[in-house]
Amino acid sequence: RKEVEQDPGPFNVPEGATVAFNCTYSNSASQSFFWYRQDCRKEPKLLMSVYSSGNEDGRFTAQLNRASQYISLLIRDSKLSDSATYLCVVTGGYQKVTFGTGTKLQVIP
Amino acid sequence: DGGITQSPKYLFRKEGQNVTLSCEQNLNHDAMYWYRQDPGQGLRLIYYSQIVNDFQKGDIAEGYSVSREKKESFPLTVTSAQKNPTAFYLCASSIREGGNTEAFFGQGTRLTVV
Repeated sequence: RKEVEQDPGPFNVPEGATVAFNCTYSNSASQSFFWYRQDCRKEPKLLMSVYSSGNEDGRFTAQLNRASQYISLLIRDSKLSDSATYLCVVTGGYQKVTFGTGTKLQVIP
Repeated sequence: DGGITQSPKYLFRKEGQNVTLSCEQNLNHDAMYWYRQDPGQGLRLIYYSQIVNDFQKGDIAEGYSVSREKKESFPLTVTSAQKNPTAFYLCASSIREGGNTEAFFGQGTRLTVV
């Protein structure tokens, strides 16, 4: 089983739609969780951290469920500019950083 | 400004040659990583290092080598044993201590075998 798993997509959604991505992780000792965004042919950039209490930043909401070992990202009112690949990131013991393979989102006019 | 720098941005290699990709960071981060990304694919871990003079293989280490002689530097050598080296290579670093670790990335090196 992979350490971090994501549905690769693509998710094709119309502008204004709400879309959610999930990511599961296998190591119950994982410590920190993040969502990164990667635009085509660019390096990944931090979108937001994920906390057990949830984390909201504008149209973006991230949640962590430690019992079920998954994190989620919800995007409301999708914009064309949200089109990108969203990477789930988990850090574990010894600060090893593990990336999911990413979920591709395409927002359609 | 603190950051992580990869060079060169584009690199062309002839088959059978070794090439070394540079990664330097001035963030005082203990941990550094190399990832490979193929078109339309996710990031795959090649090697990572949590401290100077120590490094571990990732998921696809065959055909690659690294060194970590200085905290700031983590060069990656793509050897002739790597049969399909054309890809986008990303270097990252992260803080080793603390519970809320964030990874910072360089801008990547696009390697093409010609």
